[in-house]
Amino acid sequence: DQQVKQNSPSLSVQEGRISILNCDYTNSMFDYFLWYKKYPAEGPTFLISISSIKDKNEDGRFTVFLNKSAKHLSLHIVPSQPGDSAVYFCAASQASGYALNFGKGTSLLVTP
Amino acid sequence: DTAVSQTPKYLVTQMGNDKSIKCEQNLGHDTMYWYKQDSKKFLKIMFSYNNKELIINETVPNRFSPKSPDKAHLNLHINSLELGDSAVYFCASSQVAPITDTQYFGPGTRLTVL
Repeated sequence: DQQVKQNSPSLSVQEGRISILNCDYTNSMFDYFLWYKKYPAEGPTFLISISSIKDKNEDGRFTVFLNKSAKHLSLHIVPSQPGDSAVYFCAASQASGYALNFGKGTSLLVTP
Repeated sequence: DTAVSQTPKYLVTQMGNDKSIKCEQNLGHDTMYWYKQDSKKFLKIMFSYNNKELIINETVPNRFSPKSPDKAHLNLHINSLELGDSAVYFCASSQVAPITDTQYFGPGTRLTVL
């Protein structure tokens, strides 16, 4: 049973605009959330994370928002760049040392 | 200076064979994991080791046996390979913290069983 869901398999955004990737989860025990970026034939690369005690975390062009009551998080990329084109995975875990539960990923294409 | 490395990157083999995938991390982390990405691109945990001890073992057939000779290595041995084992296998590592830990992934091993 999938506990982390990314309902948009793909997203296309123009360079310079904002990309918004969404993620929903069902397990209220999750307290740590991460976004990974993956290029073809490579492993997932950690991008940004947020713990359940926060509702926003920002790192450069990347911001993650967490809405615990809605069990929803989103990743904002602004401004989007062509090099951001990749598959983005949302992941969540219950506690330190627990396995990550991944969504199925959203393929982002940033066009010039 | 690769943080998490896996060998081989590609593995093609016949059904019924036994094969191993090696993983090494030089991050000084104490926890290592194996994930499987199936044909639907879904990444799912298989095993987790902390300081050479098994702490997570999802419902994986016992044909899969992880071995951790030291905390920097977690190898995956697969007996009697089946067609359904074809997938990309990712190794990851993390340092367990009081609150959070971020997992760092290797480049993956694409296993094809013919």
